Amino acid sequence: DTEVTQTPKHLVMGMTNKKSLKCEQHMGHRAMYWYKQKAKKPPELMFVYSYEKLSINESVPSRFSPECPNSSLLNLHLHALQPEDSALYLCASSHRVAPMNTEAFFGQGTRLTVV
Amino acid sequence: AQSVTQLGSHVSVSEGALVLLRCNYSSSVPPYLFWYVQYPNQGLQLLLKYTTGATLVKGINGFEAEFKKSETSFHLTKPSAHMSDAAEYFCAVSDRAGGTSYGKLTFGQGTILTVHP
Repeated sequence: DTEVTQTPKHLVMGMTNKKSLKCEQHMGHRAMYWYKQKAKKPPELMFVYSYEKLSINESVPSRFSPECPNSSLLNLHLHALQPEDSALYLCASSHRVAPMNTEAFFGQGTRLTVV
Repeated sequence: AQSVTQLGSHVSVSEGALVLLRCNYSSSVPPYLFWYVQYPNQGLQLLLKYTTGATLVKGINGFEAEFKKSETSFHLTKPSAHMSDAAEYFCAVSDRAGGTSYGKLTFGQGTILTVHP
């Protein structure tokens, strides 16, 4: 199984809503990532988890709150988002974080629209 | 800080023609180098990677890339384009030296490949 599964595939939320994105992998990977991809742009790193601990936060606003309950699961909790946060949110995993010479497997993404 | 530049945001080729997508990196220490492909509304899939050893790297779907340290390049090629190759391609780098950049994959701006019949 070389899949990273993200749910939901599409999400529309209001600016006062609270929602969560979910990511799951069963490859035994100990590094998991959240990326944000705006239209016609490359993915931008948001968070890195290594062995269930947050190792990198790329100065992401606190309205995005990551959580890694166990080695297979990664969540992204969303609260009070702005329309400019609308994007494709990609989850990825890799065997390890350091050094980053191993393949990162990406999920299909969650297309988020904030209204 | 390392960075990667992809020359040409759009490349158009005829089916059966050579595909050449350009990528140059900027780093004092040669980084780990990757090419990913993204189909519309999909995640990213690894085509190939260079970490160490042979500088000509073969990947999936007939793609290959050559690491040239003297030119700080990692261009992606395919001898004969197929309609199914139409997608967006991203070159990416990861810092070999480590430190605070461990775990960071930095992507180029992407090149959209169009294949004409």
